[in-house]
Amino acid sequence: DTEVTQTPKHLVMGMTNKKSLKCEQHMGHRAMYWYKQKAKKPPELMFVYSYEKLSINESVPSRFSPECPNSSLLNLHLHALQPEDSALYLCASSHQTSGAYEQYFGPGTRLTVT
Amino acid sequence: DAKTTQPPSMDCAEGRAANLPCNHSTISGNEYVYWYRQIHSQGPQYIIHGLKNNETNEMASLIITEDRKSSTLILPHATLRDTAVYYCIVRDGGSQGNLIFGKGTKLSVKP
Repeated sequence: DTEVTQTPKHLVMGMTNKKSLKCEQHMGHRAMYWYKQKAKKPPELMFVYSYEKLSINESVPSRFSPECPNSSLLNLHLHALQPEDSALYLCASSHQTSGAYEQYFGPGTRLTVT
Repeated sequence: DAKTTQPPSMDCAEGRAANLPCNHSTISGNEYVYWYRQIHSQGPQYIIHGLKNNETNEMASLIITEDRKSSTLILPHATLRDTAVYYCIVRDGGSQGNLIFGKGTKLSVKP
């Protein structure tokens, strides 16, 4: 099974809402990632978790709060977002974070902030 | 910032080989060359990677020049389903070496 699943596929939320994005993998990977992709732009790294610990935060605003409850699950908690945060949010996983490795990406959650 | 330069777009006839170039003139000795692609509205898909030697797998071949300053991804028999944005990425092999996506090449395979 080389699948990374993400839920929901689409999410519309207001600026005062609190919502969460969920990502799951069952490949035994110990590294998980969140990326943000604006329309017609390449993906941009947000967070990296390695062995369930946050190892990289690419200066992401605090209204995005990641969580890794176990090695298979990665959440992204959203609060007080702005319309410019509307984007495709991609989750990925890999066996490791050093050396040569492949990252497996999920299909993404399309987020619209109104 | 991305360390690679790719043409913004290319066309290829169905059934022919697609050759996608990538320039990475500032690559250092411990940096790998990776190729991913992203079909419209899907997550990126890993294709292949290499360090010094040419590589081949069931999807594609990767040709890296001897000085490692450029590479070419070859899709031997392009199909309509290969239409996508192809990203060439140079990544450090260390623990902080993450994928930094550039603008990529939009490959259009035409019948």
